[in-house]
Amino acid sequence: DTAVSQTPKYLVTQMGNDKSIKCEQNLGHDTMYWYKQDSKKFLKIMFSYNNKELIINETVPNRFSPKSPDKAHLNLHINSLELGDSAVYFCASSQGLSGSYNEQFFGPGTRLTVL
Amino acid sequence: QKEVEQNSGPLSVPEGAIASLNCTYSDRGSQSFFWYRQYSGKSPELIMFIYSNGDKEDGRFTAQLNKASQYVSLLIRDSQPSDSATYLCAVNLRGIGDGGSQGNLIFGKGTKLSVKP
Repeated sequence: DTAVSQTPKYLVTQMGNDKSIKCEQNLGHDTMYWYKQDSKKFLKIMFSYNNKELIINETVPNRFSPKSPDKAHLNLHINSLELGDSAVYFCASSQGLSGSYNEQFFGPGTRLTVL
Repeated sequence: QKEVEQNSGPLSVPEGAIASLNCTYSDRGSQSFFWYRQYSGKSPELIMFIYSNGDKEDGRFTAQLNKASQYVSLLIRDSQPSDSATYLCAVNLRGIGDGGSQGNLIFGKGTKLSVKP
């Protein structure tokens, strides 16, 4: 099936650990994103990559580092995890950045719990 | 600060009624507008998008855009219990001179809709 997939679906870890979340899309899209959805369900953009290049880097701690090895993949690495990092992280992709090309398709989400 | 505002709800409507979901946005340069539905524990899924002033209909859903008032709405006709979800309004803030913010979707906090049988 064509889709945006993420692994793992659930991630439980201790404070101070380093973890990664992987994202892959087989929709042939040029742009991929990472969003964070907090406990109040507010969905906020973290990063956007277009053709493997960083386009948007919203105000997130530099403990978060995205890596895009190719157009179909955008991974998120988090260093020194903190309690406040607990949230659901969604990967998304779109054909482009503007207009109809910005229709974004979301992955299933990764629920990160930091203990 | 560029913002997208929605009433958090919950908005409760009886089955078969029209549900009206509203959204306002702060940036006049906004170009495109999206409605996403998110069921509890699931990812957002796109329902509709609209770019031009006026109405756009797709089945039971109608999106309405008024750029002068910076207002976008979603009407759901013949509401069904399966429509019960959180509806997220998203705005593409791609505007002239926005630099790195071009293509950035800003989401509202969502309106929780409950359709009672």
